[in-house]
Amino acid sequence: DTAVSQTPKYLVTQMGNDKSIKCEQNLGHDTMYWYKQDSKKFLKIMFSYNNKELIINETVPNRFSPKSPDKAHLNLHINSLELGDSAVYFCASSRDTSSRVRYGYSFGSGTRLTVV
Amino acid sequence: TQLLEQSPQFLSIQEGENLTVYCNSSSVFSSLQWYRQEPGEGPVLLVTVVTGGEVKKLKRLTFQFGDARKDSSLHITAAQPGDTGLYLCAGAKNTGFQKLVFGTGTRLLVSP
Repeated sequence: DTAVSQTPKYLVTQMGNDKSIKCEQNLGHDTMYWYKQDSKKFLKIMFSYNNKELIINETVPNRFSPKSPDKAHLNLHINSLELGDSAVYFCASSRDTSSRVRYGYSFGSGTRLTVV
Repeated sequence: TQLLEQSPQFLSIQEGENLTVYCNSSSVFSSLQWYRQEPGEGPVLLVTVVTGGEVKKLKRLTFQFGDARKDSSLHITAAQPGDTGLYLCAGAKNTGFQKLVFGTGTRLLVSP
């Protein structure tokens, strides 16, 4: 059983299109995240949801809209895709306790988005 | 602004050699984690250090948190090809909701 699963694994699309990436975790975690990893492998947080509530939004363009139907799911919808959106997007989850950082984040295997 | 700078950025060594990866910041972190990421996969947690000066060992890997909690190091003894990967440090600040800020990464290649 995969702890954090995201789909699709690969996504190739044209500029201007709208696409979604789905993420699900079966760890019972209360907090979920979206990270973007650029071509230099730098991981930057985009959003975080805690019990379906948005708690972190790191100056991400409005074209990116996260949605959390329940605490086990966090999807990412991207409107009007641009070339610069090409990257690997990672979903992650963590416990929502004071000892969250001791247990770290559990990451999905990533979605490689290529905008052409 | 990169809060956590890792060095070196890339390291290519032979099997059996020792190496050290550094993670430096001007900021103080409440805790620091090290992850390893393999191609096509997400980062996987190796260790968390929370106390200044703390040293943790994981088989051939030794992790240290700086006394001032601004830096950390990862030392690998007798590296093996299976150690190949991208090593990422990540710091958490104790302000409001804790989020992880990742370092710039170190790519390690261990050749047989």
